[in-house]
Amino acid sequence: EADIYQTPRYLVIGTGKKITLECSQTMGHDKMYWYQQDPGMELHLIHYSYGVNSTEKGDLSSESTVSRIRTEHFPLTLESARPSHTSQYLCASNRPGETQYFGPGTRLLVL
Amino acid sequence: KNEVEQSPQNLTAQEGEFITINCSYSVGISALHWLQQHPGGGIVSLFMLSSGKKKHGRLIATINIQEKHSSLHITASHPRDSAVYICAALEGGSEKLVFGKGTKLTVNP
Repeated sequence: EADIYQTPRYLVIGTGKKITLECSQTMGHDKMYWYQQDPGMELHLIHYSYGVNSTEKGDLSSESTVSRIRTEHFPLTLESARPSHTSQYLCASNRPGETQYFGPGTRLLVL
Repeated sequence: KNEVEQSPQNLTAQEGEFITINCSYSVGISALHWLQQHPGGGIVSLFMLSSGKKKHGRLIATINIQEKHSSLHITASHPRDSAVYICAALEGGSEKLVFGKGTKLTVNP
């Protein structure tokens, strides 16, 4: 079983609020990822990190930002939430060349 | 056109049937993943393969690099196999996954 955690699991919030989605893993993985998935659609990479102090934007444009100050922690922040940000956000991690382990996801609804 | 195409999009089977889900990709890959996503949203990695065939219990995954095609087979399907199965290609060199849209499998008792 993967030791990768996301909080909150569900979040309903009003437009304009700042939110941070948390992701933590206890496997010592250097590589971490954030994916966005709309209902019935494929996952899209929005951010990734190869290690502490490394962050890169993914293939899908996103208004979110990430940080990687500690190996085990990779939070994602939306400065001003909008209804278009309503989606599921999945965090994952792995060692190079190995399979990715996914967190349970955060379902975000912005009203 | 998506770089990773899966078929069928939806599949309904009776318990005990043999299931095949197909995946074709157009990108150069270093490996291909098969993932399982249950209704709650959590994703589990089933296989990562770069050649040949892998088997785990009732699940078998094959890949043909020359034809850029992979298949996931489920033998003796069971209602608990009902989930969305996702094919994801690991782009060569980048370690980034490109995902298919998934195949929704429903196995009826």
